[in-house]
Amino acid sequence: EDQVTQSPEALRLQEGESSSLNCSYTVSGLRGLFWYRQDPGKGPEFLFTLYSAGEEKEKERLKATLTKKESFLHITAPKPEDSATYLCAVRNSGYSTLTFGKGTMLLVSP
Amino acid sequence: NAGVTQTPKFQVLKTGQSMTLQCAQDMNHNSMYWYRQDPGMGLRLIYYSASEGTTDKGEVPNGYNVSRLNKREFSLRLESAAPSQTSVYFCASSGGVFSGRSKNIQYFGAGTRLSVL
Repeated sequence: EDQVTQSPEALRLQEGESSSLNCSYTVSGLRGLFWYRQDPGKGPEFLFTLYSAGEEKEKERLKATLTKKESFLHITAPKPEDSATYLCAVRNSGYSTLTFGKGTMLLVSP
Repeated sequence: NAGVTQTPKFQVLKTGQSMTLQCAQDMNHNSMYWYRQDPGMGLRLIYYSASEGTTDKGEVPNGYNVSRLNKREFSLRLESAAPSQTSVYFCASSGGVFSGRSKNIQYFGAGTRLSVL
C-alpha cells in the first residue's frame, strides 16, 4: 500500500525566513511525485511533478527536489502570499490514481 | 476556459436525504475523480473514472455511487446521507489526448461543502 507522510504538519515562518517541507513516501514503482498548493476554501492547485531521483524543479520562490525516499519543497525568502497548505502526492506504476499526504500548513508572517 | 466546475458550492442535508454532486470539465480529459477532504485526513479518493464508460472504487466508496454521464461530466450521488459524510468534496480531471507525460496531473474544482445534520 502506498504511503505518503508530510512533515511538519504546520510551519510558521517570518517573511524572508527560508525553510523546507518534507514529503516521505513508500510506493511500488514511483511513476510521479506531485506537489500542490491549496488556499483556504479552494481546490488544490498543481505546482510540480518530479519523476526520478535527482530531479529538481523551480517556480518563483519554490524549489522541489526528489530522492528515492522523499521529496523536499524548499521555500526561499517566503512572502505572506506563500501562506497555504502544501500537498504531496504519489502515483505508482500499477494505478492511474494519486495517493495524497495530509499536507503542511504554512503561515508566513510579515 | 473554466477548467473543472462543481455544483453546488454549498449544501446542507438532513440525515437520510439524497443528493447528487455535479462535476464538469472542459479540458477534454479522459479521467475524472471524486475526493473527500476532512480535517486531519487529507484527500481521500472515493471513486474514479479512468475513461468514459468505466468507473472504479477508490479508498472510501461506501455510501456513494457515481455516474460518468459522458466525457465531460462525472456525478457523485449520496443515496441516504449520514452525518459521517459531512465533508468537502472535490472533483478532479486528468489526461488530455495530447498531454503526454503530463497526463497524470490532476486539475481540481473549487469544491462542494456538504453538511449532513
